[in-house]
Amino acid sequence: NAGVTQTPKFRVLKTGQSMTLLCAQDMNHEYMYWYRQDPGMGLRLIHYSVGEGTTAKGEVPDGYNVSRLKKQNFLLGLESAAPSQTSVYFCASTTDGVTDTQYFGPGTRLTVL
Amino acid sequence: AQSVTQLDSQVPVFEEAPVELRCNYSSSVSVYLFWYVQYPNQGLQLLLKYLSGSTLVKGINGFEAEFNKSQTSFHLRKPSVHISDTAEYFCAGGTSYGKLTFGQGTILTVHP
Repeated sequence: NAGVTQTPKFRVLKTGQSMTLLCAQDMNHEYMYWYRQDPGMGLRLIHYSVGEGTTAKGEVPDGYNVSRLKKQNFLLGLESAAPSQTSVYFCASTTDGVTDTQYFGPGTRLTVL
Repeated sequence: AQSVTQLDSQVPVFEEAPVELRCNYSSSVSVYLFWYVQYPNQGLQLLLKYLSGSTLVKGINGFEAEFNKSQTSFHLRKPSVHISDTAEYFCAGGTSYGKLTFGQGTILTVHP
C-alpha cells in the first residue's frame, strides 16, 4: 500500500507557464483534496472532490483547475503560473467525509519565478 | 464560517518537560476537531480527533487533547516530550464534505 503519492516532488516554473500536479491514492477513498501550505498560514483548501467525476471549490480556488476522471487520481492544474502560487501543495484523501482521518501525500514544492 | 486559531507560533521546550499547544476555534455548527503533526519535509499525519463524547481525547505518541466547549478550546498536551516530538503541529476544524480549516501551525522545538 503506497497510500497517497504526489508527482512531482519539486518543480520550478517561470511566470506564465502551465503544469499539472498528480495525486494518486490506492485506498479506494471517495473524497480527495488539494491544499496549499504557506509559512504562517497553515494549510488552505484549494479544491476538493467527493467522488469520481466531481469537483468543487475550496477556500482559495483562483488560478487553479482540477479534474477527477478516475477515482484514484486527482489532478491540480495551473494554467498560467504566477509567483503568488509559489507554495507547497498537499493532496489528501479520506473514506467518508468529515469524521474520517485524512491521509496526506508527501507534498510538491513549487517555485514560480 | 469556522475559524481556527493557534495561539503560539513557536514553542521551545526542554526534553522530558510537559508541553501544551493552544488552539481556539469558532463555529456555529457541529464541532469536529483534529490535531495533525508534520515532521520536516513530510506530509501531515493525524495525532487525534474529537468527534463527540468524552472531552478528553487520547492520541498517538502519548499526546492528548481536551475539548472545552465553554472556552471554545482544544489544547494539545503531552506530559513529557522527546527530541523526536520536534515538528510542526496543526489544529484543524472539520466541516461538510470533510473540508478542513487549519490553524496557522505551532512549531514545537524540543531541546536536549
